[in-house]
Amino acid sequence: DVKVTQSSRYLVKRTGEKVFLECVQDMDHENMFWYRQDPGLGLRLIYFSYDVKMKEKGDIPEGYSVSREKKERFSLILESASTNQTSMYLCASTQPGGETQYFGPGTRLLVL
Amino acid sequence: DAKTTQPTSMDCAEGRAANLPCNHSTISGNEYVYWYRQIHSQGPQYIIHGLKNNETNEMASLIITEDRKSSTLILPHATLRDTAVYYCIVRNFGNEKLTFGTGTRLTIIP
Repeated sequence: DVKVTQSSRYLVKRTGEKVFLECVQDMDHENMFWYRQDPGLGLRLIYFSYDVKMKEKGDIPEGYSVSREKKERFSLILESASTNQTSMYLCASTQPGGETQYFGPGTRLLVL
Repeated sequence: DAKTTQPTSMDCAEGRAANLPCNHSTISGNEYVYWYRQIHSQGPQYIIHGLKNNETNEMASLIITEDRKSSTLILPHATLRDTAVYYCIVRNFGNEKLTFGTGTRLTIIP
């Protein structure tokens, strides 16, 4: 079974802190994605990566950056966390042209 | 990718078939219909997808109208564990991105 894991289920940070959210997949997938999910807005794509060191902006990249140094790992970085980044963050992976994206369990981030 | 329209919420009695509609009137010829669901506090889970023919797998059936402007996801014998938000997504197969709407919150009633 494909497994996508995220480093934390719950995280509490203060405004202005640098935050790292880690995602690891074990199926050698090329593509990896970061979404955030907010009530009433559904899932929105922040960034995705289709290869090591490659990245593309999604629909809401402002305030975020990403890092993909190894194929299995895709990190989402909040350089200076703000309260409006309080959200559920979901990571996903897939093969190019793959039928399905596999999602991690999510990280619920609270920024105070 | 084409937009989709789904009802905000639905209820279904346990053991009955749950029929979840989706409107995608602007779908183009090379776009597939995908369904995912998200159980509370978990990441979304793939259910099924199709292009124009009806599809069935161990989880559900997908019925796509002949003009492809709408589809219905059918859970044949709903259980309490099927309570979730169900997302209908239209995707160009060459596009790796999925665009999620707000989905349908399905509640299975005991």
